[in-house]
Amino acid sequence: NAGVTQTPKFQVLKTGQSMTLQCAQDMNHNSMYWYRQDPGMGLRLIYYSASEGTTDKGEVPNGYNVSRLNKREFSLRLESAAPSQTSVYFCASSEMAGVLETQYFGPGTRLLVL
Amino acid sequence: QKEVEQNSGPLSVPEGAIASLNCTYSDRGSQSFFWYRQYSGKSPELIMSIYSNGDKEDGRFTAQLNKASQYVSLLIRDSQPSDSATYLCAFHSGYSTLTFGKGTMLLVSP
Repeated sequence: NAGVTQTPKFQVLKTGQSMTLQCAQDMNHNSMYWYRQDPGMGLRLIYYSASEGTTDKGEVPNGYNVSRLNKREFSLRLESAAPSQTSVYFCASSEMAGVLETQYFGPGTRLLVL
Repeated sequence: QKEVEQNSGPLSVPEGAIASLNCTYSDRGSQSFFWYRQYSGKSPELIMSIYSNGDKEDGRFTAQLNKASQYVSLLIRDSQPSDSATYLCAFHSGYSTLTFGKGTMLLVSP
C-alpha cells in the first residue's frame, strides 16, 4: 500500500515549456487535490476533483489544467511554464470531500522554472 | 474570504516542556479542524482532527477547540527534538475544501 505517489520528484523547466505532474493513489479514495506550497504562503489549492469525472478550480488555478484520468489518477499540466510557477506541488486524496474528510498527501514534486 | 491565522514562529521550547500552538479562523461556519505536521522537505501528515468544542487528547497531543472565540490550539506535552517541525492548522467550512494556515515552526532544543 503505497498511499499517494507523485512523479517526478524534481523537475527543471525553461520558461514556456510544458509538463505534466502525475499523481496516483491506491486507497480507493474518491477525492483528489493539487496544492502548491511557497515560502511564507502556506498550502494553496490549485484544483480538486471531488469524484471521478468532476474537477473544480481552487484558489490559484490560472496557468494550470487537470485531468482526472480514473479513480486512481489525477494529473496537473502546465501548458507554458512561468518562473512564478516555481514551487513545491503536493497531491492529496481523501475518501470523500466534506466536513469529515482527512486528506493524505503525496511526497511532493519540486519544480524550478528558469 | 476564509482565513486562518497562525504565528509563523519559530516557537522555541526546551525538551520536556509543553509546546502550545495557536490558530484563529475567520469563518464562523467552520465545522471541522485539523492539525498537520510537516517536517522540512517532507509532505504534511495529519496528527489531530477535532469537530466539537472542548479538548481531544491523543497520546502527547491535545487539540482544543473554542468555536465561540474562533480559535483552535494544539498542545504537545513532553516535547521531544523529533517534534521540531512546522505545524499547519486547517479548517473545513462544509462549502469547500480545506483552508490551511501558513504554519508555525516549532523548535525543541535538547
